[in-house]
Amino acid sequence: NAGVTQTPKFRVLKTGQSMTLLCAQDMNHEYMYWYRQDPGMGLRLIHYSVGEGTTAKGEVPDGYNVSRLKKQNFLLGLESAAPSQTSVYFCASSGFDRASAVGTEAFFGQGTRLTVV
Amino acid sequence: LAKTTQPISMDSYEGQEVNITCSHNNIATNDYITWYQQFPSQGPRFIIQGYKTKVTNEVASLFIPADRKSSTLSLPRVSLSDTAVYYCLVGRSNDYKLSFGAGTTVTVRA
Repeated sequence: NAGVTQTPKFRVLKTGQSMTLLCAQDMNHEYMYWYRQDPGMGLRLIHYSVGEGTTAKGEVPDGYNVSRLKKQNFLLGLESAAPSQTSVYFCASSGFDRASAVGTEAFFGQGTRLTVV
Repeated sequence: LAKTTQPISMDSYEGQEVNITCSHNNIATNDYITWYQQFPSQGPRFIIQGYKTKVTNEVASLFIPADRKSSTLSLPRVSLSDTAVYYCLVGRSNDYKLSFGAGTTVTVRA
């Protein structure tokens, strides 16, 4: 049972470099999310998606872009990395219970530890 | 998403019951209350979700009073492995954002 898989797990970037973080889920979930978590802080929502081909901004979207071309994948891109983007990034997915009209349990990946120097 | 307020930290000892109260004064009629647990270096994990009264599973109980302006997560007989950050979330009924606050850091001591 893979659940939610994030790639890569660790990465070091130089300021100005770009990279893409991949999140893959095998639970056929509609919703997917990207978060960042700084030391001693809670999770902050970067972007999210309510379905294939859709994306929306979260609380801290600046400096990031996302794409959801396939239902099972949600990509997070950093076009020009900055030291302020040093953080642990978590991806999550969840479903939707249409009978009760409520989101279901969210599953999280293992996280990607990104350092920008 | 309704704003939530919960204590920053709580200390407890092994075998005790831990109760974490979350305030959500502007909860909407269709909102649900959900709690997640996060261990260091891991992503959050779902604990329990409820709408009203009491919900219980193998891990915890969730108490929601009639006015639903607050809720209490109860962890029975905690152990050292229950040391974690606990997040209270309100919403998710036709609200696709899953926003976390700062959470409550629970430290269980021997």
